Amino acid sequence: VQLVESGGGLVQPGGSLRLSCAASGFTFSNYEMNWVRQAPGKGLEWVSYISSSGSAIFYADSVRGRFTISRDNAKNSLYLQMNSLRAEDTAVYYCAREPLPVGNTFDVWGQGTMVTVSS
Amino acid sequence: QSALTQPPSASGSPGQSVTFSCTGTSSDVGRYNHVSWYQQYPGKAPKVMIYEVSKRPSGVPDRFSGSKSGNTASLTVSGLQAEDEANYYCCSYAGSNNFWVFGGGTKLTVL
Repeated sequence: VQLVESGGGLVQPGGSLRLSCAASGFTFSNYEMNWVRQAPGKGLEWVSYISSSGSAIFYADSVRGRFTISRDNAKNSLYLQMNSLRAEDTAVYYCAREPLPVGNTFDVWGQGTMVTVSS
Repeated sequence: QSALTQPPSASGSPGQSVTFSCTGTSSDVGRYNHVSWYQQYPGKAPKVMIYEVSKRPSGVPDRFSGSKSGNTASLTVSGLQAEDEANYYCCSYAGSNNFWVFGGGTKLTVL
């Protein structure tokens, strides 16, 4: 069971970036997924949720209207499209799985991908 | 500022017990039993240690235990070991508006 994030990097304020999370070792299409971020030296912050089918999506207030979560179950992949990036979006971004049968925690995490927003 | 309040630091000697608190509101910790605790080493991904207030995932030592009273959840680590030195974060479901909220984390030092 593994999640591997990619797509992070350095981007200027106002720019865009698309993160990916590749899942393996489990039936990805059965699981609800999330993005969680952690600013340097700070705590964890939930960013976004997507249901197993993609029909239900939620965002934190801090990213709503700028970030878009999506998934491709055929490719076992989760995505986060980040637009209008701000300095305060600088963080390590983790994808995290909610377990079955009840999504009551985050039981599998990726290793994270670093996003730096700076001019 | 984090939605859940945790003390920034805690410490204990090997073999001792230490308890961390996590204070929320009646909209999150007080309302739902979806409270989890995560252990995180520097530069590493978090690992779930407790879920649904007091349940331990397979492989987590029974030295780790969780509880909740009202709007406050607690994590107790008994028989402290050097490997327990890490950051610990609480997390609660908060409904369809805020979804998941985290605490600011407690850094545990094993003296």
